Amino acid sequence: NAGVMQNPRHLVRRRGQEARLRCSPMKGHSHVYWYRQLPEEGLKFMVYLQKENIIDESGMPKERFSAEFPKEGPSILRIQQVVRGDSAAYFCASSLNRGGDGTEAFFGQGTRLTVV
Amino acid sequence: GENVEQHPSTLSVQEGDSAVIKCTYSDSASNYFPWYKQELGKRPQLIIDIRSNVGEKKDQRIAVTLNKTAKHFSLHITETQPEDSAVYFCAACPGFQKLVFGTGTRLLVSP
Repeated sequence: NAGVMQNPRHLVRRRGQEARLRCSPMKGHSHVYWYRQLPEEGLKFMVYLQKENIIDESGMPKERFSAEFPKEGPSILRIQQVVRGDSAAYFCASSLNRGGDGTEAFFGQGTRLTVV
Repeated sequence: GENVEQHPSTLSVQEGDSAVIKCTYSDSASNYFPWYKQELGKRPQLIIDIRSNVGEKKDQRIAVTLNKTAKHFSLHITETQPEDSAVYFCAACPGFQKLVFGTGTRLLVSP
């Protein structure tokens, strides 16, 4: 059972371009979470999704950021018109269930976004 | 919303000593408390977790305690080894929704 897969591992974008980050959860997991980590800082919650639904997006900036988790395919975190302040590591995590056994969240390797 | 505070921010110990990291949370609805270890440039990895119906859990050299009344939980590492050096994050999970993380503790174990 492959773990949570994120790609690309490293992404360089010029200011004003779009960044697309992909996350394939562990097999059988239907809960996906995105976190942002600035250098030397902690993990900040961005968004929680289930298949085809956004459950909690309270950590997402109001503009330029969007996320989806379609019925088929990976979850996508999309950042439009990137700025230097978007440079960070973006981690995706997935869990089997919400509550009870299987609540454990497993993280992907992250995508390190650099905006130049 | 939930707020998690973590102390200390850095912790230096000698190999073989014990290390204790403490966290407090604010939302009484939180019922799941995992701990993650993150090595430099790598993903956070779950090392131990505890649910609100349990006061203590142990796994070899690692233990976690939970005091629901005081809203705090702690990670205890005994007989520390250099490979325990990493950043450790606590988290709280209100209503089994998102994880809210503490700010991390950088643990350095010197040989």
